[in-house]
Amino acid sequence: GQQLNQSPQSMFIQEGEDVSMNCTSSSIFNTWLWYKQEPGEGPVLLIALYKAGELTSNGRLTAQFGITRKDSFLNISASIPSDVGIYFCAGHPKNMNRDDKIIFGKGTRLHILP
Amino acid sequence: DTEVTQTPKHLVMGMTNKKSLKCEQHMGHRAMYWYKQKAKKPPELMFVYSYEKLSINESVPSRFSPECPNSSLLNLHLHALQPEDSALYLCASSQEPDRVNEQFFGPGTRLTVL
Repeated sequence: GQQLNQSPQSMFIQEGEDVSMNCTSSSIFNTWLWYKQEPGEGPVLLIALYKAGELTSNGRLTAQFGITRKDSFLNISASIPSDVGIYFCAGHPKNMNRDDKIIFGKGTRLHILP
Repeated sequence: DTEVTQTPKHLVMGMTNKKSLKCEQHMGHRAMYWYKQKAKKPPELMFVYSYEKLSINESVPSRFSPECPNSSLLNLHLHALQPEDSALYLCASSQEPDRVNEQFFGPGTRLTVL
């Protein structure tokens, strides 16, 4: 089946540092979505990307749809304590025959040290 | 109204009980989803409803029975569950089933089966 490789699996950073995480696949994707999930809550959509090369920002967050269409990254600048959570990438592979399904990466768990 | 709501927030049930999870959205979205999420894992798709009709069943056991009474409501009926069914159950919706677009998640129902 389709797989998304998300890395790193977890990160421990100091407050104020920048963060970078990414997702890669062996397949071409039409859409990349980045979600954040906090304990006991549902995933919250951060950024949606629809075109190869697209670079989109949402406050301190920036995400890009890779030119090869097989990867995407999410950057967080100047991290703050409320950035703690699990970040999931998700996407729709080009060769998936249904438009109403997406697949998820395994998540990057972000920890911020005091 | 730009959110997906779910009730109850928490549910504890025995293996012989019958209970239902409820999900509601008033964004005019025509695709609705049930996901199951175990701790530290990404959401796993269970069911998709497109235009109030079941369009995807990801080989879910029959002890889970979805229902879509109208375009705003989605239920998940539970009967004779097993302890391994304990998880966070997430509802999501997206605007159109016929093209890839963002899925918006509710806060989830934390289910414990004793």
